[in-house]
Amino acid sequence: EAGVTQSPTHLIKTRGQQATLRCSPISGHTSVYWYQQALGLGLQFLLWYDEGEERNRGNFPPRFSGRQFPNYSSELNVNALELEDSALYLCASSFEAGGSYNEQFFGPGTRLTVL
Amino acid sequence: GEDVEQSLFLSVREGDSSVINCTYTDSSSTYLYWYKQEPGAGLQLLTYIFSNMDMKQDQRLTVLLNKKDKHLSLRIADTQTGDSAIYFCAETSSDKIIFGKGTRLHILP
Repeated sequence: EAGVTQSPTHLIKTRGQQATLRCSPISGHTSVYWYQQALGLGLQFLLWYDEGEERNRGNFPPRFSGRQFPNYSSELNVNALELEDSALYLCASSFEAGGSYNEQFFGPGTRLTVL
Repeated sequence: GEDVEQSLFLSVREGDSSVINCTYTDSSSTYLYWYKQEPGAGLQLLTYIFSNMDMKQDQRLTVLLNKKDKHLSLRIADTQTGDSAIYFCAETSSDKIIFGKGTRLHILP
């Protein structure tokens, strides 16, 4: 069974540009989560999609947005990139959405570098 | 607040026990988790505990839960070099899952 996949592996952009990151969940999983892992800041929750809808959002500005497609894959868009957006962006998927047992399966991440 | 708190670093000698601590926020959390992130990789679920349990043991891992103090700990017995990683604690409550910032475990020879 294929795990969570993310693309691209690495992405280099300049300030002010837009970045699009993609995630494919494990087959059968309907929830997709996005996290930012910046150096020294740990794992910060960005977005949670379930069944195509945004379920929850972390404390990030509106230039961080995303969507979930009918096949449950997801995109994370970051507009007007800033230097501090440089980080590893992790996507995770799960079968159950919130409340109950919710094991998240993580992808390997996309390393975004903003120059 | 909604922060799950962990210390950032822990150094342990090979063969000793490691104890990683975490305090969580929501007394109604149903499940608490420990994830492991090895260098250059995503996170993997290591173990979890249901909120009506006090302790769970799984080979070298022991999870202790103190609901009164909202304190969770992970004990790794006979720590090996392969245990070197970042360990995240997380809680699930109502409509969200919250991760701590992670504890980096460093193994001394």
